[in-house]
Amino acid sequence: QSVLTQPPSVSGAPGQRVTISCTGSSSNIGAGYDVHWYRQFPGTAPKLLIYVSSNRPSGVPDRISGSKSGTSASLAISGLQAEDEADYYCQSFDSSLSGSVFGGGTKLTVL
Amino acid sequence: EVQLVESGGGLVQPGGSLKLSCAASEFTFTSYWMRWVRQAPGKGLEWVAVINPDGSEKYYVDSVKGRFTISRDNAKNSLYLQMNSLRAEDSAVYYCVRCYNYYMDVWGTGTTVTVSS
Repeated sequence: QSVLTQPPSVSGAPGQRVTISCTGSSSNIGAGYDVHWYRQFPGTAPKLLIYVSSNRPSGVPDRISGSKSGTSASLAISGLQAEDEADYYCQSFDSSLSGSVFGGGTKLTVL
Repeated sequence: EVQLVESGGGLVQPGGSLKLSCAASEFTFTSYWMRWVRQAPGKGLEWVAVINPDGSEKYYVDSVKGRFTISRDNAKNSLYLQMNSLRAEDSAVYYCVRCYNYYMDVWGTGTTVTVSS
């Protein structure tokens, strides 16, 4: 059971907009700690996708965005493309555990 | 290009030991916290251990405390993970990761550890 809760899977048709939620608690996201997102294609290493809740590293298109509110965060991908099909993980810091925590991951399928 | 390259993975029997290495290049290694993150087959990500830039602070996930030791050699731009008393549940791909402000901005390609008799 992950400290941060993500839906196991989401799906959408090409061109659509999908969101992936990341629900935490008062000891992590709700305490004000930043949320970060990673994308992982099958058989490859994860890669930073969004940092500090809503910032994109260079090379990440602006159709990918992040937000945070209360004890939750969301990753939104608009203009869905086949290349977006991957696993997505959120990550934050938890003061009760005194360490970083990950969500369980969400598999995005492009229909 | 900033790069992290892991090595040292392999097949080991339960109770055995293994030492992973990570070679860092094209960035100032001594400026960064470094971390090992693992991923069991078909599972999610789990941080294993983290070390500060000068090696004086080390933290571990509860499941590996007393069995794993993280270390670094800044003269060689290298990160290590000594794994003892290995268990089947330690089987995973182990990633060497650069940390920046609590997020992980550069990941290695990973090295696979299989604990099995």
